[in-house]
Amino acid sequence: EAGVAQSPRYKIIEKRQSVAFWCNPISGHATLYWYQQILGQGPKLLIQFQNNGVVDDSQLPKDRFSAERLKGVDSTLKIQPAKLEDSAVYLCASSTYFRVEMNTEAFFGQGTRLTVV
Amino acid sequence: SQKIEQNSEALNIQEGKTATLTCNYTNYSPAYLQWYRQDPGRGPVFLLLIRENEKEKRKERLKVTFDTTLKQSLFHITASQPADSATYLCALGIKAAGNKLTFGGGTRVLVKP
Repeated sequence: EAGVAQSPRYKIIEKRQSVAFWCNPISGHATLYWYQQILGQGPKLLIQFQNNGVVDDSQLPKDRFSAERLKGVDSTLKIQPAKLEDSAVYLCASSTYFRVEMNTEAFFGQGTRLTVV
Repeated sequence: SQKIEQNSEALNIQEGKTATLTCNYTNYSPAYLQWYRQDPGRGPVFLLLIRENEKEKRKERLKVTFDTTLKQSLFHITASQPADSATYLCALGIKAAGNKLTFGGGTRVLVKP
């Protein structure tokens, strides 16, 4: 079974520039998560999709971050304009979903390491 | 406010001993709790899941307990090996929030030969 694919693996940009990250979840996984992980901290949930609908985006800085999941499969996360504090690893994860009571584990990609200079 | 707390200090342990990690939470009512392992430069990898109505789960050398009264989970690695050295993350599944998966800060474990 192929894992969660993310690209690019690394990205360096200047502040105020824009950047986009791509995620291809495991086939058939209805739930997709984007997390931000700053060095030395745990992953922070930015947005959660169920198929192509947003379940939670309460911690997404909507003035600069946006995300979409077209057709309920691939997803992109965009930052525009980037700030120095956006330097972090951006992790995508996916999981199957039956109903709320039947949770399953999340499968993570390797992440995209973003450096804003 | 809602918090998930893990010991931020690294846990140094001798090979063969049992490592015990804690995960405490406040102002959450999780449906389940998961533990993940994360190696440097990699994404987290799922280890164990325990539901709100379960007290204990085991998998090989790993054991997890879940006390919803104390709002605490303990994660044990028995007969630890240098290959167990990694950061371990706990994550709460919030049923009321559509299975929102919220992580703690992680605890780094270093097993010395």
